[in-house]
Amino acid sequence: SQQGEEDPQALSIQEGENATMNCSYKTSINNLQWYRQNSGRGLVHLILIRSNEREKHSGRLRVTLDTSKKSSSLLITASRAADTASYFCATSGTASKLTFGTGTRLQVTL
Amino acid sequence: DAGITQSPRHKVTETGTPVTLRCHQTENHRYMYWYRQDPGHGLRLIHYSYGVKDTDKGEVSDGYSVSRSKTEDFLLTLESATSSQTSVYFCAISGGREGLERNEQFFGPGTRLTVL
Repeated sequence: SQQGEEDPQALSIQEGENATMNCSYKTSINNLQWYRQNSGRGLVHLILIRSNEREKHSGRLRVTLDTSKKSSSLLITASRAADTASYFCATSGTASKLTFGTGTRLQVTL
Repeated sequence: DAGITQSPRHKVTETGTPVTLRCHQTENHRYMYWYRQDPGHGLRLIHYSYGVKDTDKGEVSDGYSVSRSKTEDFLLTLESATSSQTSVYFCAISGGREGLERNEQFFGPGTRLTVL
């Protein structure tokens, strides 16, 4: 079964708007990661947040983590058409494996 | 670019035939993984390797086997392909660079497999 569940499953916004997607998980984690997948391509690592961190930034990306609620959010500010992709959260326990959610499909229109 | 390639990129085969997919890396990463991606399921781990000749099962390992005889190559074999194994298969690697989390993964371009 999937560890992470993203919400919403699909999101459509206009260029310049912010996009927020959420991830909930079930068990204790060591870290949580977000990946992007463009259509027909492999996943690309975006950002990692450790279990003892609450917020992290990377460029236009902002990730928060609430371990008490077992949830994370990914905010993309000032979205661009090139941000159109699927976004996945992935959780890590104590091993080197990741468990991926089912993803959020983001469409950014001009 | 993590220097990871997959071959073939596309394959059509018939039910009951064996199929081998290859993942090749040039980065000397310790860990290698095989996933399948299907609509509505996200990525599911099939098998992974934590070193040469060291492999373990993932979430959906039935009908699949793997081998890793050298650091740079990780092979996925469908012993007798079935239509339910029609999917996109991704290889990933991790654990090879200083300063990175051990499980931050880099993905190959994928192999689209169709079993008729």
